[in-house]
Amino acid sequence: NAGVTQTPKFQVLKTGQSMTLQCAQDMNHNSMYWYRQDPGMGLRLIYYSASEGTTDKGEVPNGYNVSRLNKREFSLRLESAAPSQTSVYFCASIGETVNTGELFFGEGSRLTVL
Amino acid sequence: GENVEQHPSTLSVQEGDSAVIKCTYSDSASNYFPWYKQELGKRPQLIIDIRSNVGEKKDQRIAVTLNKTAKHFSLHITETQPEDSAVYFCAAGDTGTASKLTFGTGTRLQVTL
Repeated sequence: NAGVTQTPKFQVLKTGQSMTLQCAQDMNHNSMYWYRQDPGMGLRLIYYSASEGTTDKGEVPNGYNVSRLNKREFSLRLESAAPSQTSVYFCASIGETVNTGELFFGEGSRLTVL
Repeated sequence: GENVEQHPSTLSVQEGDSAVIKCTYSDSASNYFPWYKQELGKRPQLIIDIRSNVGEKKDQRIAVTLNKTAKHFSLHITETQPEDSAVYFCAAGDTGTASKLTFGTGTRLQVTL
């Protein structure tokens, strides 16, 4: 049981390049999320998916796209990377049982855009 | 939308002392208030949470209090230890089907010997 797995862990891009961050969870969770973490800004929601086949914008969606490929996988794509997208990205999922709303995070992906 | 403010941004305490971190929220519909701990270079992990029908919850050395009228909640850590050194995030939101939490900006806690 690996929990939430995201790849890659580190990536350096040049301005204008594209890339996709991959995320997979093996906990049979319905909801999945992408956050970005910047110093002094906390965790900000980029996009989320309440269930397979649905996606919705979060607080900071501009410059990103997502795909909920199936119940396990939720990917984040940067079509044309900008230096402002330099950040640590976390994927998370939530079980949403009656007694808990705990978010389970992946290990994070550190992205640098030059 | 929800707005969560967290104070202080940094906190230094001596080992054995208590630490208190405070958060305020804006949306009276929020009913779920978790706290996450993030050690350096690691992922955030839930350490304690409280729901709006409860005023206080305790788990060993950590406790959370909630004042719904004033829209604020606090994390209390007693008898701090070096391993408590981390960044702590509060959050507010709901646990509906499409749960969304709004996080505070974090508090870096340093426990000195």
